[in-house]
This record gives sequence, C-alpha cells and structure tokens, in this order.
Amino acid sequence: DTAVSQTPKYLVTQMGNDKSIKCEQNLGHDTMYWYKQDSKKFLKIMFSYNNKELIINETVPNRFSPKSPDKAHLNLHINSLELGDSAVYFCASSRQGRYGYTFGSGTRLTVV
Amino acid sequence: GIQVEQSPPDLILQEGANSTLRCNFSDSVNNLQWFHQNPWGQLINLFYIPSGTKQNGRLSATTVATERYSLLYISSSQTTDSGVYFCAVELADSWGKLQFGAGTQVVVTP
Repeated sequence: DTAVSQTPKYLVTQMGNDKSIKCEQNLGHDTMYWYKQDSKKFLKIMFSYNNKELIINETVPNRFSPKSPDKAHLNLHINSLELGDSAVYFCASSRQGRYGYTFGSGTRLTVV
Repeated sequence: GIQVEQSPPDLILQEGANSTLRCNFSDSVNNLQWFHQNPWGQLINLFYIPSGTKQNGRLSATTVATERYSLLYISSSQTTDSGVYFCAVELADSWGKLQFGAGTQVVVTP
C-alpha cells in the first residue's frame, strides 16, 4: 500500500496549458506539503496545509494554486504553464512536529 | 535565512568502503532529517534526528545541535546506496517547513 501517492508520474504539456497534480496520503498525517525540485536537484517548499488550512505559502507565482479538500488530499493546479515550470514536484506529509516526512514518488513536469 | 551546507558535494566509493557525510547549519533548529534520493528519484526518509545518535542497519547518524552539525555514516557501502543524500532542517515555529541542503551525490562502484 502506497503511503503517499501522486498522479500523474509524468506530465508533458505545452506552454500556456493548465494542469493539475493530485496527492493522497493514507498515513493519518495532519500536514501535507508541495516541494519543487529543480534541474540541479535543489528542493524548495512551495505550500503546506495543516488539517485543510493553508499555513505556508512561499513566494510562488499566483498561477500555482493548491487545494486541500480534506486532510488526506492535497492537489496542485497550475495555470498558464511556462517553460520555467519544468521540474519535479513532490508531495509530502508529516505528523506536525513529531516525526519525519514521507514523500510521494514525484511528478516530472515538462513544459514544451 | 538559515544556511544548510553539505559536504562533500560528490563521493565515489568502492563497494565495501565506509564514508561520512556532513551537514552544517547556521542557526538553531527544531529538528533535522536525512533523506536518500535513489537513482529513480524516490526520496526516502532515513533519519529524524534533532539530536543524539541513531542507527538503522548499515547507516547511522549523529546530530550535535549545540555545535550545529550532523553526520551520516555509511558502513560497508553497497551499490544500492548510490544516489543523493540530503540533509534538511526545520526552524522553530516554521510549521514543519524544511530547508534542504544541496545534497551529496554518492556513487558506489562494484
């Protein structure tokens, strides 16, 4: 059973399109995150939700909008995709302040 | 913001060798985690270690919070240990936000 699952695993799309990435966790964690890994493998947080409430919103363009329908799901919608959005996007979850993160397997987004 | 520096940036090991990876951080932290990103891109949590020493099989980690560093030991390395090892720290009152180091790329040769 996958603990943190992301779909799709790969996403190739044209500039200007809108796309979504979905994430679900079955660990009972109360906090979920989106991280972006760039071409140099540097990982940086984008958003975090705790019990469906947005608690971290780094300086991310408004084209990126997270949505958490419940504490087991965190989706990422991206409008008007740009070439620079190409990266690997990781979803993760944790139990606030107690345990380590569990990451999903990542979504490799390629904008052409 | 806090600086997280990992060394060395790259490491080539022969199978069976031991090695030590280092993570220095510039401010007090709530916790520290070590991750392994395998060649297929999966990020695996190795240790949640705000202080002290932990062991998991051939891997062990030590964090000296007062001196702002952590060490990851790999003993009797195997080719499956290849990948990138990341150190990540969480500041107090940061709601779990992790600040990652740039990673150490490890290649274990047969």
